Amino acid sequence: NAGVTQTPKFQVLKTGQSMTLQCAQDMNHEYMSWYRQDPGMGLRLIHYSVGAGITDQGEVPNGYNVSRSTTEDFPLRLLSAAPSQTSVYFCASKSGGGTEAFFGQGTRLTVV
Amino acid sequence: RKEVEQDPGPFNVPEGATVAFNCTYSNSASQSFFWYRQDCRKEPKLLMSVYSSGNEDGRFTAQLNRASQYISLLIRDSKLSDSATYLCVVNIFYSGGGADGLTFGKGTHLIIQP
Repeated sequence: NAGVTQTPKFQVLKTGQSMTLQCAQDMNHEYMSWYRQDPGMGLRLIHYSVGAGITDQGEVPNGYNVSRSTTEDFPLRLLSAAPSQTSVYFCASKSGGGTEAFFGQGTRLTVV
Repeated sequence: RKEVEQDPGPFNVPEGATVAFNCTYSNSASQSFFWYRQDCRKEPKLLMSVYSSGNEDGRFTAQLNRASQYISLLIRDSKLSDSATYLCVVNIFYSGGGADGLTFGKGTHLIIQP
């Protein structure tokens, strides 16, 4: 019973590099989202998706792209990494109607 | 005004004591309410949903006051394992397939001391 799987768990990037954080869920949830968590800032929404083929921006979308080609997968792309993107990233999924969100284990990203 | 506000703490509480903390939310359209627990360097996990009539789960009691737009969490007979950050979460549900997003408070840090 995998739930939400995020990879990688840890990553170090150099400024200017690009990479993709992977997120997959096996619960057939419509809603998926990406958050970043920084000390003292709480969880901030980057991008979200309400279904395959539909994505939208959250509170802090700059520097990130997403796509949702299937229900299961919701990758987050960093286009040109910056030190300000050093953070812990969480992917989450849930079904509609205000139900519980399930989180992946997080990706700790450091940009040097 | 922040959408969901919590006292960040830390709350330092002796083992066995009762502790309570509140959360206020600004959007009156909020329809679902939750408390999540987050352990250090781990992902948030649902602790309990919060219902209008109030609800209890073992040592934990959650209350919702829609008129004043606040949610509370009470922990009785606190254990060392209750040490964590507690996140207040509200959800706005839009009909017609629009955004259905969770808004998180920044969390209240609880430390149970032996």
